[in-house]
Amino acid sequence: RKEVEQDPGPFNVPEGATVAFNCTYSNSASQSFFWYRQDCRKEPKLLMSVYSSGNEDGRFTAQLNRASQYISLLIRDSKLSDSATYLCVSSRSSNTGKLIFGQGTTLQVKP
Amino acid sequence: DTAVSQTPKYLVTQMGNDKSIKCEQNLGHDTMYWYKQDSKKFLKIMFSYNNKELIINETVPNRFSPKSPDKAHLNLHINSLELGDSAVYFCASSSWTGEGDTQYFGPGTRLTVL
Repeated sequence: RKEVEQDPGPFNVPEGATVAFNCTYSNSASQSFFWYRQDCRKEPKLLMSVYSSGNEDGRFTAQLNRASQYISLLIRDSKLSDSATYLCVSSRSSNTGKLIFGQGTTLQVKP
Repeated sequence: DTAVSQTPKYLVTQMGNDKSIKCEQNLGHDTMYWYKQDSKKFLKIMFSYNNKELIINETVPNRFSPKSPDKAHLNLHINSLELGDSAVYFCASSSWTGEGDTQYFGPGTRLTVL
């Protein structure tokens, strides 16, 4: 079993739709969590960090549930430019800065 | 004003050859990483250096040898290339706090071993 698991999709949604991705992690020592975005044939880029209190950045909302060990990402009012792969990422409480990446969930927003 | 750069961007080579990939960052970060992304898109860490000191060395064949001449550079040398080494290799850098800080990735080097 992978340490960080995501549904690879693809999720095909129309413009303007709301879409939610979930991710589960198996290592309870995981402390920090992130969503990265990776466009086709490009490098991953940080989308947002995820906090227990939940955090929002424009149309994007991230949530962390430590009891159930899952992380979510909600995208409201989807744009064509949101089409990408979204990577769920965890980091353990150690002094290495090591990130564990999920396989990624592919989103395709259609006109 | 490129933040993390890698060369070459594409590398096509024969099995058994030795090749190097170079990475440089101008962000003033003190930690650099090498990741491998295979055909199934899993991104997996290979090595990490903090202030030129190796701090992460995952289960990677010893044909792979990283070298960090200074904080801003982390190179990856691969000996005796195999078909299974074909992948995209990403370099990344971050500031050091020990937690999972934002990592900035280079554009990737697409390695194809024939």
